[in-house]
Amino acid sequence: EAEVAQSPRYKITEKSQAVAFWCDPISGHATLYWYRQILGQGPELLVQFQDESVVDDSQLPKDRFSAERLKGVDSTLKIQPAELGDSAMYLCASSWDPGSDNEQFFGPGTRLTVL
Amino acid sequence: AQSVTQPDIHITVSEGASLELRCNYSYGATPYLFWYVQSPGQGLQLLLKYFSGDTLVQGIKGFEAEFKRSQSSFNLRKPSVHWSDAAEYFCAVGIYNQGGKLIFGQGTELSVKP
Repeated sequence: EAEVAQSPRYKITEKSQAVAFWCDPISGHATLYWYRQILGQGPELLVQFQDESVVDDSQLPKDRFSAERLKGVDSTLKIQPAELGDSAMYLCASSWDPGSDNEQFFGPGTRLTVL
Repeated sequence: AQSVTQPDIHITVSEGASLELRCNYSYGATPYLFWYVQSPGQGLQLLLKYFSGDTLVQGIKGFEAEFKRSQSSFNLRKPSVHWSDAAEYFCAVGIYNQGGKLIFGQGTELSVKP
């Protein structure tokens, strides 16, 4: 069964360092989402791509976060510099297209700890 | 503004007992509603979804949910809980005019007593 792949699964870094997360969506899925899940809370959308274009990045802290999906397939989320408050699970999801009636398939996530 | 509320942060039930997890939403149009389950350290798995039609929807692992428009609710139920159901459960609403993004509730952690 096709799955969304994410790496690394765990990342420990010191504040002010740069970190990057990678996501490979299910083949053929045009829409890709990055969510952040703080411990004890539900996921919150950071950025959404339709193919290689950003559709929604209204909740992305653009002073330190960046995201790209250059060829409309896999995607990278970067944080520079990392802050203590960035410690969270970063989840990637993909779907066939952006309609709400399309199921989003989630990857296993990357657990980030900032020391 | 759109929002999802899960009033119960943590619920404990005995194995074999019935389960109901509450979810209330705030959304100005017909909602698309979802229930996801998350095991520790894992991603989210879809249990079931409601788009239209029959207000009682069946999902995987023996779960069902009922959409009640008058109460703005979409409660998740299971007649007999198994120890393997212990996990975090999230209710979400899909925002169709904002690219389909999901707005999640805070989650309900389910513990199962033997």
